[in-house]
Amino acid sequence: NAGVMQNPRHLVRRRGQEARLRCSPMKGHSHVYWYRQLPEEGLKFMVYLQKENIIDESGMPKERFSAEFPKEGPSILRIQQVVRGDSAAYFCASSPGQGRNYGYTFGSGTRLTVV
Amino acid sequence: DAKTTQPPSMDCAEGRAANLPCNHSTISGNEYVYWYRQIHSQGPQYIIHGLKNNETNEMASLIITEDRKSSTLILPHATLRDTAVYYCIVRVEGGTSYGKLTFGQGTILTVHP
Repeated sequence: NAGVMQNPRHLVRRRGQEARLRCSPMKGHSHVYWYRQLPEEGLKFMVYLQKENIIDESGMPKERFSAEFPKEGPSILRIQQVVRGDSAAYFCASSPGQGRNYGYTFGSGTRLTVV
Repeated sequence: DAKTTQPPSMDCAEGRAANLPCNHSTISGNEYVYWYRQIHSQGPQYIIHGLKNNETNEMASLIITEDRKSSTLILPHATLRDTAVYYCIVRVEGGTSYGKLTFGQGTILTVHP
């Protein structure tokens, strides 16, 4: 039973390019969460999605960032026109349901470097 | 969610028990205490959680004081692989709650030979 799969593990983008981060939740999990960890800082919640729905995007920057979790396929975190401040580790977590924290499983993250 | 306070760093000798404290003096009656850890460059890993009773699983034990204002995570026999950042989180479970975890700075635990 594979865990939460994130790819790519490492992503390098030039300023102004787009970054696409993918997250495949654990089998049977329909809830996906994205977190960001800036260098030397703690993890910060970004967005919570269920299949085809954004439930809470209160942690998402208002511009350039978007997320989706389509009916088929992985969840995608998209960052348009990346800037150096977007360099961070982005972690995805999944759970089988709502409000059960101990059910959350995190992926190994995608390290985005903007040059 | 209630705020937590943890020491920034701790050391522990391999094979000894590691006791990591957490202060959550503003915790409310329906908030649980959760512990996660993050080993270098990896995603956070769930360890244990509890409401008011002490809890134990294969990884650790959680001791919550009677007034619930503080707790201690115990790793009974620390190994070098337990070196990580340990996060104590308090939040409500269930109802309209969902998985928005608020991570603080945590405690950097270093296990040395």
